Amino acid sequence: KAGVTQTPRYLIKTRGQQVTLSCSPISGHRSVSWYQQTPGQGLQFLFEYFSETQRNKGNFPGRFSGRQFSNSRSEMNVSTLELGDSALYLCASSLEGRQGGHEQYFGPGTRLTVT
Amino acid sequence: DQQVKQNSPSLSVQEGRISILNCDYTNSMFDYFLWYKKYPAEGPTFLISISSIKDKNEDGRFTVFLNKSAKHLSLHIVPSQPGDSAVYFCAARSSGSARQLTFGSGTQLTVLP
Repeated sequence: KAGVTQTPRYLIKTRGQQVTLSCSPISGHRSVSWYQQTPGQGLQFLFEYFSETQRNKGNFPGRFSGRQFSNSRSEMNVSTLELGDSALYLCASSLEGRQGGHEQYFGPGTRLTVT
Repeated sequence: DQQVKQNSPSLSVQEGRISILNCDYTNSMFDYFLWYKKYPAEGPTFLISISSIKDKNEDGRFTVFLNKSAKHLSLHIVPSQPGDSAVYFCAARSSGSARQLTFGSGTQLTVLP
């Protein structure tokens, strides 16, 4: 079974621009979560989508948004980029229901650099 | 307010010996705990988990212990191998509808040959 895939793997943007990152979950997984990891920090939760609906949101400004499509693929968007948005953005998917769902499986991440 | 804390940023252990990674939490609503391993330039890899109704879970060389009264969990790796060198994250999930995982800041484990 293919793992979680994220595109692109690396991205360089300029302050003020916007960016869209993409995530394809493991086949059959319906929940997709996004996390931000910065140097010296743990993983900070951004938001979680399930069945095309945002189910949970972390403490990030409104410049960070996301969506999920009917095939469970997800995108996250960051508008008006700031230098502090430079980070590794990780997507994780999980299986919902009686068979499990607690474990989240992560993709390799997108390394975003804002200059 | 850090709800999940890993107080040791780094740990060095000799190959073949036991590695013990610790994690403390403050939120009594956490009902599920997980450990992830992360290599540079890769996403975290799920290692092992434990439900709050248990106090121990084993999977091969990895064992997680949960002490609910102390709000403490630990990951034991026996025997440690050089390939275990990575950053280890502890994570916790709240009961109820929230599905988000709250992560600790990680512990860099180095296993010396």
